[in-house]
Amino acid sequence: QLQLQESGPGLVKPSETLSLTCTVSNGSISSSNYYWDLIRQPPGKGLEWIGSVYYSGTTYDNPSLRSRVTISVDTSKNQFSLKLSAVTAADTAVYFCASRPRGTGTLNNWGQGTLVTVSS
Amino acid sequence: DIQMTQSPSSLSASVGDRVTITCRASQTISRFLNWYDQKPGKAPKLLIYTASNLLSGVPSRFSGSGSGTEFTLTISSLQPEDFATYYCQQSHTTPYTFGQGTKLEMK
Repeated sequence: QLQLQESGPGLVKPSETLSLTCTVSNGSISSSNYYWDLIRQPPGKGLEWIGSVYYSGTTYDNPSLRSRVTISVDTSKNQFSLKLSAVTAADTAVYFCASRPRGTGTLNNWGQGTLVTVSS
Repeated sequence: DIQMTQSPSSLSASVGDRVTITCRASQTISRFLNWYDQKPGKAPKLLIYTASNLLSGVPSRFSGSGSGTEFTLTISSLQPEDFATYYCQQSHTTPYTFGQGTKLEMK
């Protein structure tokens, strides 16, 4: 079964850029069978879909974050990444990586998540 | 964006009870509706996809139904490990959106 692991800085200052990496194991990120998605959850709140990337580099994102989001893939490292610019306290959340079978919108495998706090 | 609304937001129940959670979409999504559970400090886990398909390994006491704009998740006989927060998610149109969650607590 695919495994995903998030890694990130934990603490980011307001107005700076949040960078998060998701590492895929027990499978290849270059598989044509999956999209790779990012979701976040502010403390005590619900889930928000951020966007996704395909191994080819094709991306889909949430219009609510589009101007600040960059999602990319590095097939040589079996990783995909999120950059979120100009962060504020509202971006404080647990960030999750997930796999999504191609042709579906079903998030079938999730990483454990990593908390990113925006604070000076 | 498609808005997803779950009811109730919280629910108190006992082991052995039958519980039903409802999820409504702001526009028709056919059967593109998934259910997840989440326990504190953990990632969500997929339970049911495309409205009524149980993921392999999920106990048969869980079932899903519905189409269009109204969907339900039913647990036929609650077990101790079922106390969690449940989310619905529409997979009809990006951006994918989730319901606000239903917290199932022990009475």
